[in-house]
Amino acid sequence: AQTVTQSQPEMSVQEAETVTLSCTYDTSESDYYLFWYKQPPSRQMILVIRQEAYKQQNATENRFSVNFQKAAKSFSLKISDSQLGDAAMYFCAYRTEGGADGLTFGKGTHLIIQP
Amino acid sequence: GAGVSQSPRYKVAKRGQDVALRCDPISGHVSLFWYQQALGQGPEFLTYFQNEAQLDKSGLPSDRFFAERPEGSVSTLKIQRTQQEDSAVYLCASSLGVLAGGPYEQYFGPGTRLTVT
Repeated sequence: AQTVTQSQPEMSVQEAETVTLSCTYDTSESDYYLFWYKQPPSRQMILVIRQEAYKQQNATENRFSVNFQKAAKSFSLKISDSQLGDAAMYFCAYRTEGGADGLTFGKGTHLIIQP
Repeated sequence: GAGVSQSPRYKVAKRGQDVALRCDPISGHVSLFWYQQALGQGPEFLTYFQNEAQLDKSGLPSDRFFAERPEGSVSTLKIQRTQQEDSAVYLCASSLGVLAGGPYEQYFGPGTRLTVT
């Protein structure tokens, strides 16, 4: 079974600074997808960024980028120029290739933005 | 619709009561997923539908949990004889599904917070 581990229960960053959230996972599959989701207090889970395991290039979405290290099974999220609206729970998630499986989530990291 | 909707948003049940939680997926989405999110935890997979077929129910914690999607659209998650450990947020997600190709992004609803007293 796949597992996803987020070792940082809480992170704090000053507004406009950069923060990196860590995620490691365990799988025996070679093809899979990795995701970062944001969950604000309103509870609506929002996709931040995704990475296909077969792609060597790290995904980037505006201020959000990932560092995907397939051999190390590591998938960290970097948020640049942090904004107050970035404050939320962030979940790392894994899914096997094919789309017919549910996501496996980590326990989440609570991100606090200091004004 | 514009997004995944769930109702009710909050539900309080006395232990032993039956509850039904509703999910309206995005129109045209083939795949539908249910997740359970305990307080302070990440969501955990419960079950998956492709159209009206329930293809995976391996995550349902007990036979008190039952899900259906009879016409391949709206889905209901039913919990019989609720227990305190059932207290959680229940999230529904939908996606275009395997026929569409691509990474099959799941779109989540706002969830139903169930409190069993």
